[in-house]
Amino acid sequence: DTGVSQNPRHKITKRGQNVTFRCDPISEHNRLYWYRQTLGQGPEFLTYFQNEAQLEKSRLLSDRFSAERPKGSFSTLEIQRTEQGDSAMYLCASSPDRDTNEKLFFGSGTQLSVL
Amino acid sequence: QKEVEQNSGPLSVPEGAIASLNCTYSDRGSQSFFWYRQYSGKSPELIMFIYSNGDKEDGRFTAQLNKASQYVSLLIRDSQPSDSATYLCAGSGNQFYFGTGTSLTVIP
Repeated sequence: DTGVSQNPRHKITKRGQNVTFRCDPISEHNRLYWYRQTLGQGPEFLTYFQNEAQLEKSRLLSDRFSAERPKGSFSTLEIQRTEQGDSAMYLCASSPDRDTNEKLFFGSGTQLSVL
Repeated sequence: QKEVEQNSGPLSVPEGAIASLNCTYSDRGSQSFFWYRQYSGKSPELIMFIYSNGDKEDGRFTAQLNKASQYVSLLIRDSQPSDSATYLCAGSGNQFYFGTGTSLTVIP
């Protein structure tokens, strides 16, 4: 499988619980991005990594959100003390280095529902 | 803040017609632009990218970029019902930034 893989596909949780999502990028891609998308909106940037370094994080992102990419391969996104407003599709994407003609490839996403 | 504006539609065209989707962007420094197709409940799929002024054709799709006017468009020729989806325009800076998408329905 050469695509971006995300797990789980769906997550239902109660308000106040913590959740963690995993993303495995395309193997030769150094850049990894997290986006959030709600119905009727385009993907909203959350954060991105170049290898293991987190280079940018959205100013709109709450401190309850944290992401890691410890070995420059897979990444995790954790949301602590979830709120109903966190319900959304969480999309992971990867791309090769910027020197090549950079294109973004998305995984299937994780649909989060906070009850 | 870098922004991309799209007409949210919905846009409806008959099968076989040309669908025209438009996008404007705010950042003159952006170099690369992308069109993604997103079916309901699915993740975005890259269908076209363009870096230079002018037209770029790939099969039934043509992307157009006008950097002076900060305008990007996507033409879909011979539209098919399977083209019915939301089309997202995106620009590339330090990260990719997306418009809200245009919903396209192709009527058989």
